[in-house]
Amino acid sequence: GQNIDQPTEMTATEGAIVQINCTYQTSGFNGLFWYQQHAGEAPTFLSYNVLDGLEEKGRFSSFLSRSKGYSYLLLKELQMKDSASYLCAVSDSNYQLIWGAGTKLIIKP
Amino acid sequence: DGGITQSPKYLFRKEGQNVTLSCEQNLNHDAMYWYRQDPGQGLRLIYYSQIVNDFQKGDIAEGYSVSREKKESFPLTVTSAQKNPTAFYLCASSIVVSGANVLTFGAGSRLTVL
Repeated sequence: GQNIDQPTEMTATEGAIVQINCTYQTSGFNGLFWYQQHAGEAPTFLSYNVLDGLEEKGRFSSFLSRSKGYSYLLLKELQMKDSASYLCAVSDSNYQLIWGAGTKLIIKP
Repeated sequence: DGGITQSPKYLFRKEGQNVTLSCEQNLNHDAMYWYRQDPGQGLRLIYYSQIVNDFQKGDIAEGYSVSREKKESFPLTVTSAQKNPTAFYLCASSIVVSGANVLTFGAGSRLTVL
């Protein structure tokens, strides 16, 4: 079966760095997405990785290792507004998105 | 501003009733999707449409129906056959950006069955 695993919840301190991991087992791979979702709101696109390596976009970076079926989202200089759920999704061989359950990130002052 | 509008934001339904959730986009995207979000689970695809007058079932289509008569509109009907309809429903549309099929989501509709 197809499976995406992420931690359910993480806590970090304002100004710090946090890494949210995502491991996947899917039938084929056509890219991995990270979305941010504030409580009760729509998910918004953060990043897309299709090749191995690190993609940096401001305070957020995303890493992919296809051989390990592994990605992480790195958030630097955490701000209170970063409190949200972070969703990992993989595009499979049919270009269908398989979604993880999301990681709820709690930022403390 | 371009975007996706879902309505209503909150909806209460009695058992045995059909309800229709509206989804309208002005992004000129060809593809549109309906997802269901339940606590502790990933988004699950209900239906999707890649072109007007055509749509396909997703992983959990039973008890739901859709239509795509216009490019801008993709309404979802939750029928009385859906056994557990209480959930957060998200509509999305997509466009390919640098090889990635990026989804833009609406704000969601929360359906509660009383």
